[in-house]
Amino acid sequence: QKEVEQNSGPLSVPEGAIASLNCTYSDRGSQSFFWYRQYSGKSPELIMFIYSNGDKEDGRFTAQLNKASQYVSLLIRDSQPSDSATYLCAVSPNDYKLSFGAGTTVTVRA
Amino acid sequence: GEEVAQTPKHLVRGEGQKAKLYCAPIKGHSYVFWYQQVLKNEFKFLISFQNENVFDETGMPKERFSAKCLPNSPCSLEIQATKLEDSAVYFCASSPRITNSYEQYFGPGTRLTVT
Repeated sequence: QKEVEQNSGPLSVPEGAIASLNCTYSDRGSQSFFWYRQYSGKSPELIMFIYSNGDKEDGRFTAQLNKASQYVSLLIRDSQPSDSATYLCAVSPNDYKLSFGAGTTVTVRA
Repeated sequence: GEEVAQTPKHLVRGEGQKAKLYCAPIKGHSYVFWYQQVLKNEFKFLISFQNENVFDETGMPKERFSAKCLPNSPCSLEIQATKLEDSAVYFCASSPRITNSYEQYFGPGTRLTVT
C-alpha cells in the first residue's frame, strides 16, 4: 500500500465548475497535510496546508481534513484555465519529510 | 533571499561521472530538504537538514549520494559515479519550522541527465 494515494486522473472540468481532488494516507500518526500545484516543467507551488480536522478556505481553494478516515481533499471553486496543472497531495508523517501522492492532472476546459 | 535558489538548472553527466548540485534556502529558514522527482510525478525524499546537521537521511542511497549544509555556504548534494537511473529532477525545499509552521517551499530544481 502506498503511503499517499490520490484519485487517478486526469480530471477535466469546464471553466467555472468545481474541481474535487481526493487523497488518502496510510500513516495514522500524520499531522501535516499539504496541497501543491505543479505546472509542467516547473517546481511544486504550495497552495494549501491544513493541520486540523475540518475545512480551511483560502480564496477559491478549500482543503478538508478528516483524520479519522485518513482523508484529505481539495476543492477548487470557479475553476479557471490557469488552474490546469498537476495537483500533488503531500503528507508529513513526522514533520521532517513529505510523502507525495502520484498527483492528479486537472484540465479546465474554456 | 525570498526564494529557494538551485544551481545549475541543467546538468549532463556521463555514466560514472560525479554530479554536484547546490541549494540556497530562503533566508531565515533553518530546515532544508532534498527530493528526487523521476518520471514527472514520483517524488522521493532523500535527506533533510536542520541548519548544518543531518536530520533525516533515510532516503539517501548511501553508497553514492552525499549531502552537506555548511554555515555561510549553499547546501550541496553530490552523486559519485552517476548511473542512468539517477536521471531525474532534484528539488531542494526549505522550511521555517517555527511553531506550528511546517510548510516547505521548493526551489526550481536541477535536471540531471545521465548519458
